Amino acid sequence: AQSVSQHNHHVILSEAASLELGCNYSYGGTVNLFWYVQYPGQHLQLLLKYFSGDPLVKGIKGFEAEFIKSKFSFNLRKPSVQWSDTAEYFCAVKAAGNKLTFGGGTRVLVKP
Amino acid sequence: EAGVAQSPRYKIIEKRQSVAFWCNPISGHATLYWYQQILGQGPKLLIQFQNNGVVDDSQLPKDRFSAERLKGVDSTLKIQPAKLEDSAVYLCASSSVDGFLEEQFFGPGTRLTVL
Repeated sequence: AQSVSQHNHHVILSEAASLELGCNYSYGGTVNLFWYVQYPGQHLQLLLKYFSGDPLVKGIKGFEAEFIKSKFSFNLRKPSVQWSDTAEYFCAVKAAGNKLTFGGGTRVLVKP
Repeated sequence: EAGVAQSPRYKIIEKRQSVAFWCNPISGHATLYWYQQILGQGPKLLIQFQNNGVVDDSQLPKDRFSAERLKGVDSTLKIQPAKLEDSAVYLCASSSVDGFLEEQFFGPGTRLTVL
């Protein structure tokens, strides 16, 4: 069975700081990878996704993620965060024939 | 394009009572999902429908939870009787196909508190 772990439960940083959220999954086969974001009071929405090709994927709002197959990782990055990036971030993995599996989430608080 | 609609947004009940949630997916989306998100955790799939048939309900506590998707569009999720540990946000999502290459679109969720 596939599983996903997110290393940090809470992250606090100041505006303009760089952000990196870790995500590791366990599954030996081919997977599709996602980062979802949930802003305060809003629903879950897709930030970016990796299906194949270039392992460095770019998403909305300046976010990017890098798939490193050998490390079973799909870390999310943003070079310079804004207060509006305060949200909860979820990594998710889907293998063919399996359900979409989410990590436990990371709450990010950006101080103005 | 209208998103996934859910109602109610909030519900407070006492244990042993019953409750129902409603979901209307994005128009044309054949696949519908119900997730349970307990505070501090990621969403966990309860049941997946493809049109009006169940694809996966392996994590649905069938002694108290039930779900249906009549006519392959709207869906309802019911809990009867509710327990304290059912307090969670119940998310509905939909996607156009249940393939490997798919994106799920989520509704706002229903926050259930069981007292």
